Amino acid sequence: QQPVQSPQAVILREGEDAVINCSSSKALYSVHWYRQKHGEAPVFLMILLKGGEQKGHDKISASFNEKKQQSSLYLTASQLSYSGTYFCGTEGFQGAQKLVFGQGTRLTINP
Amino acid sequence: KAGVTQTPRYLIKTRGQQVTLSCSPISGHRSVSWYQQTPGQGLQFLFEYFSETQRNKGNFPGRFSGRQFSNSRSEMNVSTLELGDSALYLCASSRTGATTEAFFGQGTRLTVV
Repeated sequence: QQPVQSPQAVILREGEDAVINCSSSKALYSVHWYRQKHGEAPVFLMILLKGGEQKGHDKISASFNEKKQQSSLYLTASQLSYSGTYFCGTEGFQGAQKLVFGQGTRLTINP
Repeated sequence: KAGVTQTPRYLIKTRGQQVTLSCSPISGHRSVSWYQQTPGQGLQFLFEYFSETQRNKGNFPGRFSGRQFSNSRSEMNVSTLELGDSALYLCASSRTGATTEAFFGQGTRLTVV
C-alpha cells in the first residue's frame, strides 16, 4: 500500500526549515528518501532501516519511528538547491526488493 | 564512474505496437529495478532483477515484462501498447537490492498515440 506524504506542497523562503512526513498503514522495514528536480532523475538522499539510527548529512536529516510506521525528513536552513519533489519509498519487510513510493512533496524555495 | 544509462531517451509508438527499453546499470551493480512515473500515479514499481532473476514484481498486467542479462543490463518490454502506457520509465541500479543506495537513470519518455 502506498505511503502517504504530507504536506503535498510547501513554499519556503531561503533559510527556513521544512519537515516532510511519510506514513504507512503497514509495518515497514526501511524508508528511502529521494529528491527529484524537474526533468531530472530522482537522486538518493538516505535510507533508514528498522532498528537503525537517525541519518543525516549537511543540513538534511531524517528519522524513522517504527512504532508509528512513520518517517520524517528535516531540511534545516533551506537553500535554493533544495527545491524539488521529495519522495519517500518504503520496503515492507527485509528482502522484499520492492519500494513503494509516496506521491511526493513539492518543495519550492524562494530567495 | 559512469551512471545508469537508459536508451532510448524518447519514444513515440502507436497503440497496439510493442516497445523494448534498455537499462545499463552502474558497473558492479547487480540489481536493476524498473518504475513507471506518471503525474497521476507517481512512481510505481514494475519489477526488480538480480543476477538474471526476477525477485519481485508490481501490479502491472502481463503486457509488461522484463529480463536481465549476465552483464546486469536489463530490458523491459511492453506489448500491445495502450494510450495509458504513456509515461516516464525509470530504471534504478544498486549493488544488491532495495536496502542499498539506488541510482536512477534519466528515464525513457514513452508516448503512445
